[in-house]
Amino acid sequence: AQSVTQLDSHVSVSEGTPVLLRCNYSSSYSPSLFWYVQHPNKGLQLLLKYTSAATLVKGINGFEAEFKKSETSFHLTKPSAHMSDAAEYFCVVSPPAGSASKIIFGSGTRLSIRP
Amino acid sequence: GAVVSQHPSRVICKSGTSVKIECRSLDFQATTMFWYRQFPKKSLMLMATSNEGSKATYEQGVEKDKFLINHASLTLSTLTVTSAHPEDSSFYICSARDSGPYEQYFGPGTRLTVT
Repeated sequence: AQSVTQLDSHVSVSEGTPVLLRCNYSSSYSPSLFWYVQHPNKGLQLLLKYTSAATLVKGINGFEAEFKKSETSFHLTKPSAHMSDAAEYFCVVSPPAGSASKIIFGSGTRLSIRP
Repeated sequence: GAVVSQHPSRVICKSGTSVKIECRSLDFQATTMFWYRQFPKKSLMLMATSNEGSKATYEQGVEKDKFLINHASLTLSTLTVTSAHPEDSSFYICSARDSGPYEQYFGPGTRLTVT
């Protein structure tokens, strides 16, 4: 079985300060992990993904995430927030190829950026 | 990356009528497509999984006679909301997956409003 928990429903930071969006997962096998961003009334855009290669994953728009197996975490970070980063962020865990299990979405974290 | 389109992006229909939403994979063959529903400020809820040429598998609580899914080709899946009611108003998102890397590619979503 697998699950994913986004620890914060809402995060607010000032423009130019670091961003940390937390995600913890549970999986009985080595999962693939993803972060998606969703702007209002838009679809999901892939920010980055971890698929058992390097544990530090760099994505688009300056975001990165580190897979920590010992902590079962995959937190999303960005050194300096921009106003355009305000959106909803989803952490997703996916089973291995060929598995009958479904992908699991976190509940989402709304990121607000203060001027 | 792979592109998934949805049509229409927005639709308004009257109560009692049916509406069809199309989901297309534009540059790859989607062996599996997924339909999600998203309520305001909520995460995505998987409605059904469809494999090309076979019947869709619906999640518990999703009425298969109300939400008809057809996946007749490797690039097209359709969701038809039959006899729509105002409570069916929502944001519907499809995703597609090919037979290779276990990643889902999401469409931009369709905003359905039933009056």
